[in-house]
Amino acid sequence: NAGVMQNPRHLVRRRGQEARLRCSPMKGHSHVYWYRQLPEEGLKFMVYLQKENIIDESGMPKERFSAEFPKEGPSILRIQQVVRGDSAAYFCASSRTSAQETQYFGPGTRLLVL
Amino acid sequence: GIQVEQSPPDLILQEGANSTLRCNFSDSVNNLQWFHQNPWGQLINLFYIPSGTKQNGRLSATTVATERYSLLYISSSQTTDSGVYFCAVVRGADGLTFGKGTHLIIQP
Repeated sequence: NAGVMQNPRHLVRRRGQEARLRCSPMKGHSHVYWYRQLPEEGLKFMVYLQKENIIDESGMPKERFSAEFPKEGPSILRIQQVVRGDSAAYFCASSRTSAQETQYFGPGTRLLVL
Repeated sequence: GIQVEQSPPDLILQEGANSTLRCNFSDSVNNLQWFHQNPWGQLINLFYIPSGTKQNGRLSATTVATERYSLLYISSSQTTDSGVYFCAVVRGADGLTFGKGTHLIIQP
């Protein structure tokens, strides 16, 4: 049973470019969460999605960041016009039915903005 | 929002030693998880433990929900136990709120 998958594992972008991070949840899981870990900081919640719905986006920056979890395919975290401060590790997690259950984490995508 | 505090922030031990890591949280929770982030950055699930006691090999955890704290015990430490240990909680139906972690170094 494959775990949470994220790709790419490493992503390098120049300032002003777009970054697209993908997350495939564990089989049978319909809830997806995105977290960001800035250098030397802890993990911060960004957004919680179910299929085709955003449940909670209270942790998402108001500009340039968006997330989706379509009916088919992986969840996508999109960062437009990246800046150096966006350099971080972005983790995706999934759970079966709710946030109150165990959340399983993927390996993360390390984004470096030059 | 809910506050999560972990102690100690840093811990250096010799191989074979035992340790206790603490997590205090400011309100009732529906979910509490302990994670180990290894030196390669991977987040490894250790326990889902909103209440009660669990054991897995050399690791065990206890959460006393009424007193709003959880403890992670590591016995007979090995160098591979090094890394950062995070406690994280959910209140309501949103994402995990993480503590700042305990940075553990096990010296041979």
